[in-house]
Amino acid sequence: NAGVTQTPKFRILKIGQSMTLQCAQDMNHNYMYWYRQDPGMGLKLIYYSVGAGITDKGEVPNGYNVSRSTTEDFPLRLELAAPSQTSVYFCASRAPGHSSTPLHFGNGTRLTVT
Amino acid sequence: GENVEQHPSTLSVQEGDSAVIKCTYSDSASNYFPWYKQELGKGPQLIIDIRSNVGEKKDQRIAVTLNKTAKHFSLHITETQPEDSAVYFCAASADTDKLIFGTGTRLQVFP
Repeated sequence: NAGVTQTPKFRILKIGQSMTLQCAQDMNHNYMYWYRQDPGMGLKLIYYSVGAGITDKGEVPNGYNVSRSTTEDFPLRLELAAPSQTSVYFCASRAPGHSSTPLHFGNGTRLTVT
Repeated sequence: GENVEQHPSTLSVQEGDSAVIKCTYSDSASNYFPWYKQELGKGPQLIIDIRSNVGEKKDQRIAVTLNKTAKHFSLHITETQPEDSAVYFCAASADTDKLIFGTGTRLQVFP
């Protein structure tokens, strides 16, 4: 039982390039989330999904896209990378039911856009 | 939408002392308040949570208190140890699918 797995761990992109951050969970969790973490800014919600085929915007969705074709995977796509997207990205999942079930986080992807 | 403020941003204590981190929230509909601990290079992990029908909850050396009238909640760590050094995040949720986080507190415990 690996929990939430994020790949890659680190990535450097040039401005305008695109990439996909991968996230997979093996806990059969319906709910999955993408957060970004900037220094002194806490965790900001980018997108989330309550099940396969369903996604919704969070606090800071601009510049990102997501898809949820399976329960296990929730990739985050950056189409035209910008320096403002330099951040640490965390994927999380939780069991269905009441919103107070705990979030399980991956170990993050550190992205630098130069 | 919900806004969560967290203070202080950094906190240094001597081993054995207590540490207190405070958060305020804006949405009176919020009813779930978890605390997460993030160690270096890792994702946050839940350490304790409280729901709005409870004023205080304890788990060994950590406790959380909630004041719904004032819309603030606090994390208390007693008898701090070096392994408590980490970044701590508070969060709030109003029975929705979204959890809104505070800006984090870096706690350093000196031996």
